[in-house]
Parts: sequence; structure tokens; C-alpha cells
Amino acid sequence: EVQLVQSGAEVKEPGESLKISCMGSGYSFTKYWIGWVRQTPGKGLEWMGIIHPSNSTAIYSPSFQGQVTLSVDKSIKTAYLQWSSLKASDSGMYYCARRWAANDQETWFEPWGQGALVSVS
Amino acid sequence: DIQMTQSPSSLSASVGDRVIMTCRASQSIGSYLNWYQQRPGKAPNLLIFAASSLQHGIPSRFSGTRSGPDFTLTISSLQPEDFGSYYCQQSFDFPYTFGQGTKLDIK
Repeated sequence: EVQLVQSGAEVKEPGESLKISCMGSGYSFTKYWIGWVRQTPGKGLEWMGIIHPSNSTAIYSPSFQGQVTLSVDKSIKTAYLQWSSLKASDSGMYYCARRWAANDQETWFEPWGQGALVSVS
Repeated sequence: DIQMTQSPSSLSASVGDRVIMTCRASQSIGSYLNWYQQRPGKAPNLLIFAASSLQHGIPSRFSGTRSGPDFTLTISSLQPEDFGSYYCQQSFDFPYTFGQGTKLDIK
């Protein structure tokens, strides 16, 4: 079974750093891009970026460029999303998801991780 | 960024009803449009990709169509387990963007 399992909920204070994880199993981890999506009551679902586990190439949404860092450790089939200095506005549910691609534009996310709730206050 | 607009924002329907919801992009996106279902407290789940292709394992009562700039998700006969929120997402260009969602309640 293809699965993405994320790390647990986090409660942090503004200014702290944080790294959350997403571990893949049941498929060839280095073949598929991993995406990250934030969900908040105010802004709904927001795509943050994607990273390719084979070479760590990352594409960021302009809204999140410079605010977060995507990384991966392919030896343990795990992708990461990290912040160096959290703000209250970073609070939300964060999902990782595997990106399928039929071609450069015909792409979709499946499956998704269970989500990680980040609270900053 | 490409803006995705879904309508209605919420709807209530009875078991057995035919339910239709729509999504429109702020510019042409071809057929690069996906639909996801999200039940409360759960992660989104892919229903339809490339506007009209049914994801493996999804019941055939779900279908997606495109007519010019408008995309439609139809549930042919609503079932109790279909409650939740539905989101469209464009993959035509970065940054990928999602609609604001349609919340479906079962009467």
C-alpha cells in the first residue's frame, strides 16, 4: 500500500524553528515529486511547493519562497518542511502528497499524508 | 496566479439526489483540473484528474466534465458518505492553486 506518514502535531512559540517530516512507503520514493500544502480556515488549501527526492530539486510557490525550506533524505524515504523562525501566521494544517504526472501539466496529488497541525502562539 | 472559483460555496442535498458543483479558472487551463474530496478531520482524497478521468477506486457515481472554461463535478446519486468539502485544483501552471471549496451537507 502506498502511504505517506507525517510527523505529529507541534506547538511552538514565535521565533522558534521547526522541521516536520513525511515518510513514504510502498512505492519507489525517488521517482515521484512530493508536494506540500497548507490548509487554514482563512485561506483554504494553499500549494507551497514540490521537491524531487532523487536530486532535491525544489519548486516553491512565490507566497512561500524564502519563508520555508523543503528538503529530503532519500536514504530514509523522508521529505521535510522546515521553518527557521516561526510566525503566528504559520499556524495551520500541513499536508504532504505524492505528485503523479502523465506529462508536465497533467499532474495530480495522490495519496496525501494524514496532515500535521502546527500551532504557533 | 491562476484564481479558481467554485460554486456554490455550500449546498445541502438528500440521499439519491443528483448533485452538481462547478469550478472556473481565471484563465484558460486546458483540461488540467483535478477534484478532491475532504471529509471532516481527514486529508483531501483525489476523485477526478485531468478534468474527467476517474481515479482508481472512486465510485462511478462521481464524474467530471469540462465545457470551455467551466468544470463540473457531478455526483449522480448522493450517498451518505459523500458529505464533506470538495476542492478543484489547477495543474496548468505554477503555483498550483485550489478553489475555495464547496461544502456538501446531507439533508
